[in-house]
Amino acid sequence: KQEVTQIPAALSVPEGENLVLNCSFTDSAIYNLQWFRQDPGKGLTSLLLIQSSQREQTSGRLNASLDKSSGRSTLYIAASQPGDSATYLCAVPTGGGNKLTFGTGTQLKVEL
Amino acid sequence: EAGVAQSPRYKIIEKRQSVAFWCNPISGHATLYWYQQILGQGPKLLIQFQNNGVVDDSQLPKDRFSAERLKGVDSTLKIQPAKLEDSAVYLCASSPLWEREQYFGPGTRLTVT
Repeated sequence: KQEVTQIPAALSVPEGENLVLNCSFTDSAIYNLQWFRQDPGKGLTSLLLIQSSQREQTSGRLNASLDKSSGRSTLYIAASQPGDSATYLCAVPTGGGNKLTFGTGTQLKVEL
Repeated sequence: EAGVAQSPRYKIIEKRQSVAFWCNPISGHATLYWYQQILGQGPKLLIQFQNNGVVDDSQLPKDRFSAERLKGVDSTLKIQPAKLEDSAVYLCASSPLWEREQYFGPGTRLTVT
């Protein structure tokens, strides 16, 4: 059974700091990994999707890496801003039907 | 391109009452998913449709939850009767046929009192 863990559960940083969020998964037989952002009371916004054949994917100040063999992914946020404050979730497809198994998320707060 | 639409956004009901949620996926997306997200947890899949057929409903509490996607477009999720532990955000997502990325709607926040 696939299990996804995210560390840390919560993180508070000053504005401008670079930071790394971690995601680990137990079954490395995945074909992609997706990072989402969730604002309080809102749905999920897809940030990055990394295919299993890729090592990295970048979008603006975000960079996600994937190491299938070790069952790990990281989301790097450069020059953090207060607007980055949200919960960040990683998810991997499980089973032939493509259902996503999610981690419990990292709650990020970027302070002025 | 319009995103995934859901309604209502919020619903408060008493236990043992029934409730229904509606989802309209992105146009042309054949696959539709309903997830349940309990406070402090990641979303959990309840049911997945491919067009109007069910692909996976292994985690759907079938004694009280039902879902349909009659014409392969929009979908409804129903709970009858509701329990206190059903309080959660119900998220609908869609993806194009054979495409893996899922796009989520804003969710419906259900409170059962």
